[in-house]
Amino acid sequence: SQQGEEDPQALSIQEGENATMNCSYKTSINNLQWYRQNSGRGLVHLILIRSNEREKHSGRLRVTLDTSKKSSSLLITASRAADTASYFCATGGVGSNYKLTFGKGTLLTVNP
Amino acid sequence: NAGVTQTPKFRVLKTGQSMTLLCAQDMNHEYMYWYRQDPGMGLRLIHYSVGEGTTAKGEVPDGYNVSRLKKQNFLLGLESAAPSQTSVYFCASSYQNQPQHFGDGTRLSIL
Repeated sequence: SQQGEEDPQALSIQEGENATMNCSYKTSINNLQWYRQNSGRGLVHLILIRSNEREKHSGRLRVTLDTSKKSSSLLITASRAADTASYFCATGGVGSNYKLTFGKGTLLTVNP
Repeated sequence: NAGVTQTPKFRVLKTGQSMTLLCAQDMNHEYMYWYRQDPGMGLRLIHYSVGEGTTAKGEVPDGYNVSRLKKQNFLLGLESAAPSQTSVYFCASSYQNQPQHFGDGTRLSIL
């Protein structure tokens, strides 16, 4: 069963704008991760946030986690055409945090 | 440093045929995983391994078998392929509690 659900399913923006993607999940987690997938390629890890953390930054990426609402958001600032990809959230469960459950993804298109 | 390598990249099978997908990693990771990705479904875990000689079932294990005879290799087998197994298969590896590293996938079509 899908644990994470991303919202929106698709997002189209102009270069330079910010992109925000949301992820909701159902059960308690040990950590939540975001991955990027370019067309025809494998997933690439972006950022990991643990259940006791509320916010993390990595370059142009900012991730927040609200465990009370069972939700997370990924913000990409000053987007570039190269950011065009699908973005997935994945949750690591309590007791088996290495087994990830992926959401269905958000397809981000950044127009030049 | 190749990371995670999947072989083959593409394959077309007829219903009932068997095949093995190979995953190799050169990062000395203990943990390895097989996923399938279907349109609109995200990734679903088929089987995983927490070390050489061990395997365990994931979310969608039916119709698949796996083996981890060497630490660097994780094989996924389809004994009798069915059209419902048409998918893109991804292998990943990791240290415990660390992010997973993915291969570029095997695109499998079963006619």
